[in-house]
Amino acid sequence: GAVVSQHPSRVICKSGTSVKIECRSLDFQATTMFWYRQFPKQSLMLMATSNEGSKATYEQGVEKDKFLINHASLTLSTLTVTSAHPEDSSFYICSARALSRDGEQYFGPGTRLTVT
Amino acid sequence: GQQVMQIPQYQHVQEGEDFTTYCNSSTTLSNIQWYKQRPGGHPVFLIQLVKSGEVKKQKRLTFQFGEAKKNSSLHITATQTTDVGTYFCGSTGANSKLTFGKGITLSVRP
Repeated sequence: GAVVSQHPSRVICKSGTSVKIECRSLDFQATTMFWYRQFPKQSLMLMATSNEGSKATYEQGVEKDKFLINHASLTLSTLTVTSAHPEDSSFYICSARALSRDGEQYFGPGTRLTVT
Repeated sequence: GQQVMQIPQYQHVQEGEDFTTYCNSSTTLSNIQWYKQRPGGHPVFLIQLVKSGEVKKQKRLTFQFGEAKKNSSLHITATQTTDVGTYFCGSTGANSKLTFGKGITLSVRP
């Protein structure tokens, strides 16, 4: 099956610093990747849709200047949390939709961000 | 994405019992996808249903899409402890955005 990786799996950073999270599709090409955030015992909330070669589309309420998304290639999307605050602490998960598979999305293992 | 609802959010069953959960929408859905997330893990795709009245089986799991394409069910026969986790349904719109329900967390008493 299709594999999506994320790096790092866990990160602890100080308030005010920036953190970059990478999402890679390892064995397929993904023109579209999605970034989700999940708080404990809650569902996944879509933050933005990352499109290769173009600007990301952000969901309502998500600050595009705070959560910078870059989709530089068909296999890599990055999410940078800028000027992180403790309330940004969460589980960030990316997913990718394979062009060859109808509608199916493959999720990365997630990144646990803790801002102190 | 298209709005879907899952109620309740938690259910506890005795090992060996059957389990059924539902996913509902007020609008007609283009598809339904089901995912399972184990504690501490990430969502894993289980199935997609597209056709009205469609039924698909995966071992002890049976998935059904309603005739009106406004609801879906997941039925697990004879639950096992390996079935624990949170089951999310979701649906994609024309832009491929996947909207999840709140999920139902299943616990199984051995």
